[in-house]
Amino acid sequence: DAGITQSPRHKVTETGTPVTLRCHQTENHRYMYWYRQDPGHGLRLIHYSYGVKDTDKGEVSDGYSVSRSKTEDFLLTLESATSSQTSVYFCATLQDPDSGNTIYFGEGSWLTVV
Amino acid sequence: AQSVTQLDSQVPVFEEAPVELRCNYSSSVSVYLFWYVQYPNQGLQLLLKYLSGSTLVESINGFEAEFNKSQTSFHLRKPSVHISDTAEYFCAVGNFNKFYFGSGTKLNVKP
Repeated sequence: DAGITQSPRHKVTETGTPVTLRCHQTENHRYMYWYRQDPGHGLRLIHYSYGVKDTDKGEVSDGYSVSRSKTEDFLLTLESATSSQTSVYFCATLQDPDSGNTIYFGEGSWLTVV
Repeated sequence: AQSVTQLDSQVPVFEEAPVELRCNYSSSVSVYLFWYVQYPNQGLQLLLKYLSGSTLVESINGFEAEFNKSQTSFHLRKPSVHISDTAEYFCAVGNFNKFYFGSGTKLNVKP
């Protein structure tokens, strides 16, 4: 395990409000990812980071922003939450892609937008 | 981008029976292949992975997967399943720092 902690684990919020999910890792892994998991879709990449202040978009990035000011923290912000963003969000980390290292996952954050 | 297809969304099977969970991917380049398992309300845990070498890889709990380059498949098998194997299984393809996941297969082991 890569010592990945996600917070909050569960949250209910209202449509139109901003929401921030936090991912904290203790293994000094370079790459960090945010995925969302929805029935029938598996995991879809929202954003990822390849270093401090270095981020890039994934396949479902609309409505989301990220920040990484420290190696250990990767924040996901829903700028104005919508019901379509009700999902389970997973953070993941990867140490070094060159050697085919494994991607490790956090326990997930359940978000409900009402 | 890669695509990963898990052909069965649900697989019901009786305890002690064999099972195969199918995975196909689209790629003409070298990739890394993974199977992850997810138990209810938990994150994904690595079950096994193929990086190079022998095309047959095994996990510590009796699962195995075979890399077939010509068919671009990485099917997961277990000769005899247990109730505790009930979970959702995800196939994934890794290419450098990008990972692509299938839609998952729910394995339901019945007594």
